[in-house]
Amino acid sequence: NAGVTQTPKFRILKIGQSMTLQCTQDMNHNYMYWYRQDPGMGLKLIYYSVGAGITDKGEVPNGYNVSRSTTEDFPLRLELAAPSQTSVYFCASSPRDAVQFFGPGTRLTVL
Amino acid sequence: GENVEQHPSTLSVQEGDSAVIKCTYSDSASNYFPWYKQELGKRPQLIIDIRSNVGEKKDQRIAVTLNKTAKHFSLHITETQPEDSAVYFCAAIPSTGNQFYFGTGTSLTVIP
Repeated sequence: NAGVTQTPKFRILKIGQSMTLQCTQDMNHNYMYWYRQDPGMGLKLIYYSVGAGITDKGEVPNGYNVSRSTTEDFPLRLELAAPSQTSVYFCASSPRDAVQFFGPGTRLTVL
Repeated sequence: GENVEQHPSTLSVQEGDSAVIKCTYSDSASNYFPWYKQELGKRPQLIIDIRSNVGEKKDQRIAVTLNKTAKHFSLHITETQPEDSAVYFCAAIPSTGNQFYFGTGTSLTVIP
């Protein structure tokens, strides 16, 4: 099992550009999550999904969108990138009510 | 929703000493409490967890205790080693099971 994989590992965007962060898990978990982690800070939940076709907002959803068409994939879309979105983005998955497994993260810089 | 507070935010200990990190939660229905370790530049990884029907759990030098009445749980690391230096996050999961509520993290430094 590869676990949770994320692409790309690093990305530099210009202000106003858009991009999609990819997240895939091969553990057949229903629950998937997107977090952002600013330098020296904790994890803030952006969006989560409890199953294919179901998504819900977390603490900091503004400027982001998600979709969940399959159990395996949970892409995060950034529209009109802003410097405030410079962060490390972690995707995670879990069975219900159990440990979350994190991906390796995507380090995004918006200039 | 749930609110998790974590203390202290930074902790320095001498190698071989013990370290204790404490978290409090607000939702008495929360029933799962994991602890994650995040090394610099790495992803958070689970080190130990406890469910609400258990008061204490140990795994070698690491232990977690849960006081449901007081709504707090603690991470205990004994005989600390330099490789224990990292940021530690606690979390609480309510009975709905659809979100993790993370603490703000504790940066632990073990001084050789």
